[in-house]
Amino acid sequence: NAGVTQTPKFQVLKTGQSMTLQCAQDMNHEYMSWYRQDPGMGLRLIHYSVGAGITDQGEVPNGYNVSRSTTEDFPLRLLSAAPSQTSVYFCASKLRTGGVNTEAFFGQGTRLTVV
Amino acid sequence: AQKITQTQPGMFVQEKEAVTLDCTYDTSDPSYGLFWYKQPSSGEMIFLIYQGSYDQQNATEGRYSLNFQKARKSANLVISASQLGDSAMYFCAMREWDGAQKLVFGQGTRLTINP
Repeated sequence: NAGVTQTPKFQVLKTGQSMTLQCAQDMNHEYMSWYRQDPGMGLRLIHYSVGAGITDQGEVPNGYNVSRSTTEDFPLRLLSAAPSQTSVYFCASKLRTGGVNTEAFFGQGTRLTVV
Repeated sequence: AQKITQTQPGMFVQEKEAVTLDCTYDTSDPSYGLFWYKQPSSGEMIFLIYQGSYDQQNATEGRYSLNFQKARKSANLVISASQLGDSAMYFCAMREWDGAQKLVFGQGTRLTINP
């Protein structure tokens, strides 16, 4: 049982390049989400999905796209990388059932640097 | 408005002492959950403890307990008999009862345990 797997773990991009951060989970969780972590700001929600085919914006969605074609995968696309997107990105998943009291499982994070 | 506030950017504690990490929250939703996560220097997010808004008793998990004061809207994490391995960032988070069940995080507290 791998849990939540993020790839790559590290990435350096040039300004203007695009890329996709991969997130996969094998726990059959309905909910998946992407966060970014910046120093002094905790984790902020970028996009989330409550099930296959359904996505919505979080607190800081600009510059990012997501799609959810399967339950397992929730990729995050950077359309045109900017230095402001230098951050650590976390993918998380949780069960729909159980409501507020079910913990979210996090991936190991992707450290992205845009130069 | 800030929904989760952690007012201690950093704390230094002697090994084997107890430590309290502060967390206050703001919500008008009667149903919500409060979580604490630990982030060691390796970067992963580790779930520690959960408290539901309707729970009558404070949550405990081994050396971790959550001091839940609903009227004050506080959910402080107490670590008893601290160990060197407790040195890490600690995040308080809240989930409200909405369709998305999003987690909102505080800014975090960096805890350093001194030998």
